[in-house]
Amino acid sequence: QKEVEQNSGPLSVPEGAIASLNCTYSDRGSQSFFWYRQYSGKSPELIMSIYSNGDKEDGRFTAQLNKASQYVSLLIRDSQPSDSATYLCAVRVQAGTALIFGKGTTLSVSS
Amino acid sequence: SQTIHQWPATLVQPVGSPLSLECTVEGTSNPNLYWYRQAAGRGLQLLFYSVGIGQISSEVPQNLSASRPQDRQFILSSKKLLLSDSGFYLCAWSGRRRPSYEQYFGPGTRLTVT
Repeated sequence: QKEVEQNSGPLSVPEGAIASLNCTYSDRGSQSFFWYRQYSGKSPELIMSIYSNGDKEDGRFTAQLNKASQYVSLLIRDSQPSDSATYLCAVRVQAGTALIFGKGTTLSVSS
Repeated sequence: SQTIHQWPATLVQPVGSPLSLECTVEGTSNPNLYWYRQAAGRGLQLLFYSVGIGQISSEVPQNLSASRPQDRQFILSSKKLLLSDSGFYLCAWSGRRRPSYEQYFGPGTRLTVT
């Protein structure tokens, strides 16, 4: 059974701090990794994708991938109250194009 | 740019009634299409995916079915709804560019079965 695990949270950080969200996956053959943001009552929105080991930065967001440890993380710098949402980690396994999602981590940024 | 539409946005249906949810994509051709369900307090569950017209793969056996009558149209159906079918139904599309196959979601349909 291919799995993607996330801490459900809530993760609470003050405004301006760095939020660190973590994800582990079970299938060593996984090839692509994604972070989605989902506001309450809305559909998921793709915010980052990463395919190679190391860091990928986009504005205030940094995705980190360590395939040896089967670990993906998302850092949000200078967190804002508007970042308060559930963050979903998703993995594309080797067999096809379908993604496997974690259950998400709820982030709360207080002003 | 690509746009994905879903309708209806919300739906309240009695147990045993039929269901038809529609998803259409604009601005791309030959997309991969997906149906997910997100139940309260649970993660996203892949229900069906399609790589082309008439080609449907089912991930979870249940009383739902899917069809792809046109390249950019994906339909989710049921002949008789169960209470457990309540949830947030999401359609998504992806291109075929390796290695990512990035998926983009539509606005979703919130279904309540009473």
